[in-house]
Amino acid sequence: DTGVSQDPRHKITKRGQNVTFRCDPISEHNRLYWYRQTLGQGPEFLTYFQNEAQLEKSRLLSDRFSAERPKGSFSTLEIQRTEQGDSAMYLCASSSRTSVSQQYFGPGTRLTVT
Amino acid sequence: AQKITQTQPGMFVQEKEAVTLDCTYDTSDQSYGLFWYKQPSSGEMIFLIYQGSYDEQNATEGRYSLNFQKARKSANLVISASQLGDSAMYFCAMRASSGSEKLVFGKGTKLTVNP
Repeated sequence: DTGVSQDPRHKITKRGQNVTFRCDPISEHNRLYWYRQTLGQGPEFLTYFQNEAQLEKSRLLSDRFSAERPKGSFSTLEIQRTEQGDSAMYLCASSSRTSVSQQYFGPGTRLTVT
Repeated sequence: AQKITQTQPGMFVQEKEAVTLDCTYDTSDQSYGLFWYKQPSSGEMIFLIYQGSYDEQNATEGRYSLNFQKARKSANLVISASQLGDSAMYFCAMRASSGSEKLVFGKGTKLTVNP
């Protein structure tokens, strides 16, 4: 049973560039989540998919951020025109529909904007 | 809106002793779930234990137990017989059942287990 995987693990980019991250959830999980974690803080929710439908978005997800899950399997998170404030760990999680629905997290993508 | 408060930025414990990590929450929902996650220095969030708001008994998972006091809105994590590998950040989180699937996390507590 493979866990949640994320690619790349680390990304360094210059301000103003676009970046895209990928998340592959646990295969039987139909729910997928993106969170952002800055230094010294807990993760903050960004968005949530059930299958291919994006059902919830945080106000943190500005118009420079877009997420997709085209076939209900993997997901991508794109940040356009990156800013230094976007530097953070981007975490992906997945879950199945159970009474607990605990979220299983991937290793994260650490983004550094210079 | 939901809020999680973890008032202990750092905690120290001797190996083999028990330690309690505090968590209080705020919500107007009647139905909600409380979670604890461990985050080692590698960065991955590891699920530890879950407590539902209607569960009458405190949750236990191996060396982890959750001291749930609903009236006080607290959900403290107790780790028994601490091991060196328990050194990590610990996050308390809540999911309200009011149509949202998101988890709201606290700021975390850094636990250091001393030999």
